Amino acid sequence: EVRLVESGGGLVQPGGSLRLSCAASGFTFSDYDLDWVRQAPGKGLEWVGRGWNKFNSYIIEYAASVKGRFTISRDDSESSLYLQMNSLKTEDTAVYYCARDHWGSYEYWGQGTLVTVSS
Amino acid sequence: DVVMAQSPLSLPVTLGQPASISCRSSQSLVYSDGNTYLNWFQQRPGQSPRRLIYKVSNRDSGVPDRFSGSGSGTDFTLKISRVEAEDVGVYYCMQGIQRPYTFGQGTKLEIK
Repeated sequence: EVRLVESGGGLVQPGGSLRLSCAASGFTFSDYDLDWVRQAPGKGLEWVGRGWNKFNSYIIEYAASVKGRFTISRDDSESSLYLQMNSLKTEDTAVYYCARDHWGSYEYWGQGTLVTVSS
Repeated sequence: DVVMAQSPLSLPVTLGQPASISCRSSQSLVYSDGNTYLNWFQQRPGQSPRRLIYKVSNRDSGVPDRFSGSGSGTDFTLKISRVEAEDVGVYYCMQGIQRPYTFGQGTKLEIK
């Protein structure tokens, strides 16, 4: 069974940092591209970034809204995807999901982890 | 980026009645391999998104056959033949042809 489990969310002050993790199981992690997608309270879904797989040279991509502040990494030996978030803003408040891509589609999603940026 | 536009944004439906959601993309979602990369997701209250349909009309395992997807090029539709109480939630279309993948605004389905 494919599972994606996010963790690391919480309350942080503006300008602060947080590191999210996505632990994967049930599939060969290194074969797949994984994305971070977020959802602000009461809003729609927004792509945050991607960790491409080994076949795509582990390229990292970011949305313009987070580029320069967020860093995505992956550890295939741990079957985990990470999102280091620095210089957090109130508008980064959201549930953060990791999602597995397969041929232009998010087949599997995690349960999400809530990040609240507030003073 | 490819812009995805859904309508309506709010959809009150009587139990047992059909429902239809439209999704339009700002460019064709037909890839060079001949496939069309349009997906539909359901997000029930308090839950993660769940994929219902991929490549326009392919239902995921476990998705009731009252859900169907259709369309081509830039115009797509998700239909529910007879709405049930468990269908309440927000429905999103998403294109997977061009990076970054982009979503429609979401359509909130509620029971009248």
